[in-house]
Amino acid sequence: EVQLVESGGGLVQPGGSLRLSCAGSGLIFNYNWMSWVRQAPGKGLEWVANIKQDGSDNHYVASVKGRFTISRDNAKNSLYLQMNGLRAEDTAVYYCAREATVGGSPAFDYWGQGILVTVSS
Amino acid sequence: ESVLTQSPGTLSLSPGERATLSCRASQSVSSTYLGWYQQKAGQAPRLLISGASTRATGIPDRFSGSGSGTDFTLTISRLEPEDFAVYYCLHFIWKTFGQGTKVEIK
Repeated sequence: EVQLVESGGGLVQPGGSLRLSCAGSGLIFNYNWMSWVRQAPGKGLEWVANIKQDGSDNHYVASVKGRFTISRDNAKNSLYLQMNGLRAEDTAVYYCAREATVGGSPAFDYWGQGILVTVSS
Repeated sequence: ESVLTQSPGTLSLSPGERATLSCRASQSVSSTYLGWYQQKAGQAPRLLISGASTRATGIPDRFSGSGSGTDFTLTISRLEPEDFAVYYCLHFIWKTFGQGTKVEIK
């Protein structure tokens, strides 16, 4: 059974830092791009960042560029999101998700359960 | 700007009824990159449809997707109690989600 489990969330003050982790099991972790997607309270889904299988390429939504860094350790089946300079608008549930080809088309086929990050003084 | 607009915002229906959800892209897109996701309260999203019309593994055949160009549709032929949720479309290359349609019990 494929599982993605996020950890590392919590309450942090504006301007602070937090590192999220996503541990994968039941999948060959280094086969796929991986993404972080977030959801502010009561709002919709927003893609945040993704990273290539070997970590050699990554992309970010404009609002987090220069503040967030995505990385991975395939030996540990783990994905990370280092979040610096946190703002109130970064408050959200953060999901890790696997990018895969499903029926010939790309999709997010597996998601973690999500972890809450609250930025508040 | 690459935008997906979903309508309606909320759909109030009874179990057994048909639900028709719309996703409109701001420019013509390849259907290959258009997907649909279901999110129940307090849960992670779940992939329903990829490539505009291909059901993901384990998705019941009451769910179907269609469309091309700028207009895409998710249809739930007969609503089951477990189908009341929020549905999002996603353009995978843009990494842009629609704002969601909530299907609620009437």
